[in-house]
Amino acid sequence: EVQLVESGEGLVQPGGSLRLSCAASGFTFSDHYMDWVRQAPGKGLEWVGRTRNKANSYTTEYAASVKGRFTISRDDSKNSLYLQMNSLKTEDTAVYYCARVGSIFGVVMNYMDVWGKGTTVTVSS
Amino acid sequence: SYVLTQPPSVSVAPGQTARITCGGNNIGSKSVHWYQQKPGQAPVLVVYNDSDRPSGIPERFSGSNSGNTATLTISRVEAGDEADYYCQVWDSSSDHVVFGGGTKLTVL
Repeated sequence: EVQLVESGEGLVQPGGSLRLSCAASGFTFSDHYMDWVRQAPGKGLEWVGRTRNKANSYTTEYAASVKGRFTISRDDSKNSLYLQMNSLKTEDTAVYYCARVGSIFGVVMNYMDVWGKGTTVTVSS
Repeated sequence: SYVLTQPPSVSVAPGQTARITCGGNNIGSKSVHWYQQKPGQAPVLVVYNDSDRPSGIPERFSGSNSGNTATLTISRVEAGDEADYYCQVWDSSSDHVVFGGGTKLTVL
């Protein structure tokens, strides 16, 4: 079964740090681009960022709201995706989802076809 | 940055057809993807590349895209279709994913 499972949920004070993990199974993780998407309470979906695969040098992209504070990384040997969050703000409070970027015959399609259930980050003093 | 505009809400009676729009500048030149999200659950891809359906998604879900508007159409709406729906594109000028603000579908 294709599956993504996030972990690292927590309550952190403003200015603090937290690291989220996403464990992938049931597919060839190393082939895929991976995204993080978040959803603040009662709000819509907000894209956080992306890591590409080894064939594309593991390059990353970030939303303007998190650039310089968040870092996406991956460990293909562990089928795992990470989100390091530093200098957290109250507005970073959200459910964070990891998602697989779809591809067809190896061509990246830029939609998210597999999602984890999400993990909750609360930034509050 | 690229902006996608969705109506906040759409209401439809069971058995009728719901149409949810997603507006963007020349969106017809982009590939549009749609997600369904029920309360407390992760989003689910229901339409990709404007009009294709992932396996397991009912044929009642269809999509179109032309000009400045993409549309998700849900035929023969059921109570279980009540959810939030989001459109999404890839903005190649910024290398960013862009989501619409979401539309809450209410089945009357």
